[in-house]
Amino acid sequence: DAKTTQPPSMDCAEGRAANLPCNHSTISGNEYVYWYRQIHSQGPQYIIHGLKNNETNEMASLIITEDRKSSTLILPHATLRDTAVYYCIVRVNGNNRLAFGKGNQVVVIP
Amino acid sequence: EADIYQTPRYLVIGTGKKITLECSQTMGHDKMYWYQQDPGMELHLIHYSYGVNSTEKGDLSSESTVSRIRTEHFPLTLESARPSHTSQYLCASKQTGAGNTEAFFGQGTRLTVV
Repeated sequence: DAKTTQPPSMDCAEGRAANLPCNHSTISGNEYVYWYRQIHSQGPQYIIHGLKNNETNEMASLIITEDRKSSTLILPHATLRDTAVYYCIVRVNGNNRLAFGKGNQVVVIP
Repeated sequence: EADIYQTPRYLVIGTGKKITLECSQTMGHDKMYWYQQDPGMELHLIHYSYGVNSTEKGDLSSESTVSRIRTEHFPLTLESARPSHTSQYLCASKQTGAGNTEAFFGQGTRLTVV
């Protein structure tokens, strides 16, 4: 699986959009970008995934650059409950392994 | 709603004891995973299985062993617990497929070896 790079931590203002970056410059054509988050040592929770097109669901939006070398997870209106470690993972669909990196500790500030 | 369960939630046990952490899922998922995570630290994949009678070691070396005799059950065993095994252990499952490939996690087992 291609390596991803995220900032180790960031703060976001409550009520504002939170833009979480992820670099994956070695991504290959059949690798998907996945986002999970982990709230205070609970099990990680799936957020969204995409291949080439931008994706949106009830939790977030995923913007993938045209060259696919980076992506941004957007939480449209951050709340205090969005404080968590966010993981950006790149993997081939169907790959047996599922490994998480260090993630981005996001703190939503009132 | 995720149907994956881990027991016990908390376990305090003495050094040298044999322990088994249970993980069960009722979703019929073919893939299952065990992770180890210390407080505030990274999630480390220690074991995974892609089906019955298949198990593989993960990225972090672990003295634990796993088995997958039934699809729904993926127990983790420590033959002789040591204080260095104190950690949180998280189990997950997912289904192979081109569609929704979300992984579901259990609540975790917090193990303390004294």
